[in-house]
Parts: sequence; C-alpha cells; structure tokens
Amino acid sequence: EVQLVESGGGLVQPGGSLRLSCAASGFTVSTNYMGWVRQAPGKGLEWVSVIHSGGSTYYADSVKGRFTLSRDNSKNTLYLQMKSLRAEDTAVYYCARGALIGRTGYYFDYWGQGTLVTVSS
Amino acid sequence: SYDLTQPPSVSVSPGQTASITCSGDKLGDKYASWYQQKAGQSPVLVIYQDTKRPSGISERFSGSNSGNTATLTISGTQAMDEADYYCQAWDSNTWVFGGGTKLIVL
Repeated sequence: EVQLVESGGGLVQPGGSLRLSCAASGFTVSTNYMGWVRQAPGKGLEWVSVIHSGGSTYYADSVKGRFTLSRDNSKNTLYLQMKSLRAEDTAVYYCARGALIGRTGYYFDYWGQGTLVTVSS
Repeated sequence: SYDLTQPPSVSVSPGQTASITCSGDKLGDKYASWYQQKAGQSPVLVIYQDTKRPSGISERFSGSNSGNTATLTISGTQAMDEADYYCQAWDSNTWVFGGGTKLIVL
C-alpha cells in the first residue's frame, strides 16, 4: 500500500527556515517523480516543486531560489528545505507521488495528509 | 505562464448529472487530470489522462477533453460527491492547477 507521511510543519517567523519531510512506503521514491503541492487557508491547490527520478528538480516561480527539493534514497524520504519564508508561504503542504502517461501526461496519483506551515511573527 | 480556469461553483440536485469545466489554451492538446478534495481531507485523483479512472473511483465519474475545454462529469450525483474539484495539466515543466470548483449538491 502506498503511503506518504509528511512532517516538519509548524510556526516560523518571516525570514526563517523550515524543512519538511515526506516519508514514503509501498514504493521507491527514487524510481518515481515526486512533488509538493500547497494550499493556503481557504484557497486552491498550488504546485510548488517536483523532483524527477533522474534527480532533475523544478520549482514554481513563487518559490524559486528559496526552496530546495531533495531526497534520501536510503530513507525513501523526500525533503523540502524552505528559506526566507514569507507570510504568503503559509499553507498546508502536501507531498504527492507523480505518474506519467506518454511524454507529457504528468499527474499526481497519491497524496499525503499534509503538514501545516504558518509564517507569522 | 499557462492558466486553467474553472467556475467557482456548480450546483446540482441529487441524482442529476453535474458537469465541471476547465478551460485553457489548447488544453485538448494536453492531458487533463481531475482531483476531488472533500472538506478537511487531502486531494484524491478521480480522472487522469483525460478519461481514465483510477482503481476504486466510481464509474459515475467520467472525463473528456477537446479544444480548449476539459470536462468532469458526475452522473447520478450523490451527497457524498459534494467537494472541491481541481483540474490539472502539465506545461513546460510546470504542473498547473485550476482554481477549483465547489460542487454543491442541493
């Protein structure tokens, strides 16, 4: 059974840093593409970042240069390092497993329960 | 950047058919996926590759995609279908979500 368990959320001051983790089970993170999607309170889903099986990473413009996505294959875990946090980064952050149909049919087939990040003084 | 547009809300009576649209430039040339998010829960994939249903998703859910519009159709709508629905597509290494549509089952 595929499971994704996020952790690391919490309250952080503007300008601060936080590292989110996503522990995966039931599959191997290094053989799939994985991503983070966030949802601000009362708002819609916003893609944040993706890492491909080959290690390439992609970021939304809103977080580029501030967030870094990585993975530890030995722990089957995904990480999102967040720096220079802003109030607008406040959101529930979901870890999701990616799937691909053909060359462009990217989607997310499994999602974690999410972890809340609050950026406030 | 690529944008996907959804109506903020759609209302439907129990047992009727609900259609939720998602519009984007030449969206029919891309693959559309749909996610259901019930209140306080994580999103769940209900349609991928325009028309395919993941295992465990009710046959009442179907999808189509042509021209500039993808459509999620829910037949025989039930109270349990009340949720937010998001479309998603991929464009130039960007995963794009629509703004979401609240399905209201009256």
